[in-house]
Amino acid sequence: NAGVMQNPRHLVRRRGQEARLRCSPMKGHSHVYWYRQLPEEGLKFMVYLQKENIIDESGMPKERFSAEFPKEGPSILRIQQVVRGDSAAYFCASSPKRADLSEKLFFGSGTQLSVL
Amino acid sequence: ELKVEQNPLFLSMQEGKNYTIYCNYSTTSDRLYWYRQDPGKSLESLFVLLSNGAVKQEGRLMASLDTKARLSTLHITAAVHDLSATYFCAVDPPNNTDKLIFGTGTRLQVFP
Repeated sequence: NAGVMQNPRHLVRRRGQEARLRCSPMKGHSHVYWYRQLPEEGLKFMVYLQKENIIDESGMPKERFSAEFPKEGPSILRIQQVVRGDSAAYFCASSPKRADLSEKLFFGSGTQLSVL
Repeated sequence: ELKVEQNPLFLSMQEGKNYTIYCNYSTTSDRLYWYRQDPGKSLESLFVLLSNGAVKQEGRLMASLDTKARLSTLHITAAVHDLSATYFCAVDPPNNTDKLIFGTGTRLQVFP
């Protein structure tokens, strides 16, 4: 049973370009969470999605950031017109069901985004 | 707004010694998680603490939860170099179980 898969592992973009980060949850998991980690800091919640639904996007910046989790395929975190402040590690986590975080969240290996 | 604080932020300790990492949080929560992160790696789940007085142990690590004091501890016994990593606690906010609030982390370095 493969774990949470994120790609790419590293992503380099120039200012103004778009960044697309992908996350495939663990088999059987239908809930996906995206977190951002700035250097020397903890993880900050961004968005929580179920298949075809955004459940909670209270941690997402209002502009340039969007997320989706289509019926088929991975979850995508999209950052348009990237700026240097977007440089961070972006982690995806999955769980099998909502409202029962007695189960562990399973994290992917992250995507390190570097904006030049 | 729920705040989660850890201390110390940095910890350098000698092999064989004991130490405790503290995690305080600002509002009521009955669920607390401890994670380990190695440099450049993802987070590895260590413990899930679900009730007041919960204590869990795995190898040289032991975690406890006091929901009344809003405090969790991660105790390290007879540290070894392999325990060098950053340790995060995370809290499940009340009435909102769809996300975790993380502490800033404790970077632990164990030297011979």
